[in-house]
This record gives sequence, structure tokens and C-alpha cells, in this order.
Amino acid sequence: DGGITQSPKYLFRKEGQNVTLSCEQNLNHDAMYWYRQDPGQGLRLIYYSQIVNDFQKGDIAEGYSVSREKKESFPLTVTSAQKNPTAFYLCASTATGNQPQHFGDGTRLSIL
Amino acid sequence: AQSVTQLDSQVPVFEEAPVELRCNYSSSVSVYLFWYVQYPNQGLQLLLKYLSGSTLVKGINGFEAEFNKSQTSFHLRKPSVHISDTAEYFCAVSELDTGRRALTFGSGTRLQVQP
Repeated sequence: DGGITQSPKYLFRKEGQNVTLSCEQNLNHDAMYWYRQDPGQGLRLIYYSQIVNDFQKGDIAEGYSVSREKKESFPLTVTSAQKNPTAFYLCASTATGNQPQHFGDGTRLSIL
Repeated sequence: AQSVTQLDSQVPVFEEAPVELRCNYSSSVSVYLFWYVQYPNQGLQLLLKYLSGSTLVKGINGFEAEFNKSQTSFHLRKPSVHISDTAEYFCAVSELDTGRRALTFGSGTRLQVQP
């Protein structure tokens, strides 16, 4: 079945540590997105990529970095500069045109 | 910039009763509209979408929504809810004619179906 795989499901970060969240899709979608979800809030856009080797900052990009070396993969790194990283992170992808976004099952990041 | 307001953070309802989850949006351009459902510790699943055409949109699990351009609303309805509908529901918009195609989400409405 086609879909989006996020790993790990749970992740713990120590102070001053960078961590990388994985997102892989086999839907052959061009565009991929990273969202952050906090309790009582909707999802907020961190970064997005519409094509390989290109990506743009979203609304809350500070303290995060991404890469898009392959169409299928869009990893997100939460750097030590992100002072409040505890959240649920969701990856999504979409085809061209007006197709809706498909979401992975998320990664929950916590601070040790 | 676009924004989405979901007026109710929580909606308790008894099983087999009707329910309406409200969503209003603000945008200076035409938009696509979506409703997603999220079960605990899972990603989002698309319930329905409005892209163009008929303003009454039917989705999965018996849900429907009506696009009202004059009121900038896209309320979600179900005539008879089940316990299994207990989840968080998100309204989202995407502006047409922008390259970004990212979604702007409301803050969510938690639907609690009681027996």
C-alpha cells in the first residue's frame, strides 16, 4: 500500500542535542511538508518542499532544518536552537494540482 | 494572510444525535477547504474537501459540509453520530494560485460522543 512512513514514533532529546525525524513516502508525490502540533492548537507549518533539492521555510522554521535529496524522503532535524521542541510532528505530501495532503502517523518528541 | 477559526474547542454530544462543527475562514483569494479527523496519536485522515462546484460536499463516515462563500464558512455536519466518531476534527484551507499549497489549520474541535 502507498503511504507515508514516519519514524520513530517516539523520540527523546537531551539538552543541546540535535535529533532527526524521518519521513518517507512511496506515493510519488512532488511536494512534502512538515507540521508541528501542540495541544489545543492546530498544525503549524515548519518547512515544505515542492521539488527535489529545493525547500522553503514555513511559519515556524527557526530551530529546524530539512533536506530533500530524494523525492521519497524529507527528513527534519530539530536543532539545539529550538528551545521548546516538545510536540507532535507530522509529515505530509501531496501530488500536483489540487489534490489533498496525505499525512503520516507522526513522531512525538519529548525532552529528557 | 489566510486564517481559520474553529469556534468550539469541544463538542459533547449523545450517540445518535446530530452534530455540527463550525469553521470560518478568512482569505483575500479563493480557497480550497478541507476537513480532517485525527484519532489519538495518529496522523490526520481526510474526511472531505471542497475544491469547486456544488457547495454541499459529502465525505466519508457519513459526514458532509457546506461551503458558504458569503459567510466564509465551511461547517461540518453528521445527522447521527456514533461512539467511534469521537476524535479531533480540523478544518483547513489552502489558497488557490499560490505556489505553496500548504494548509492553514484551525485549532481543532474535540468531538466527544457519549452513550
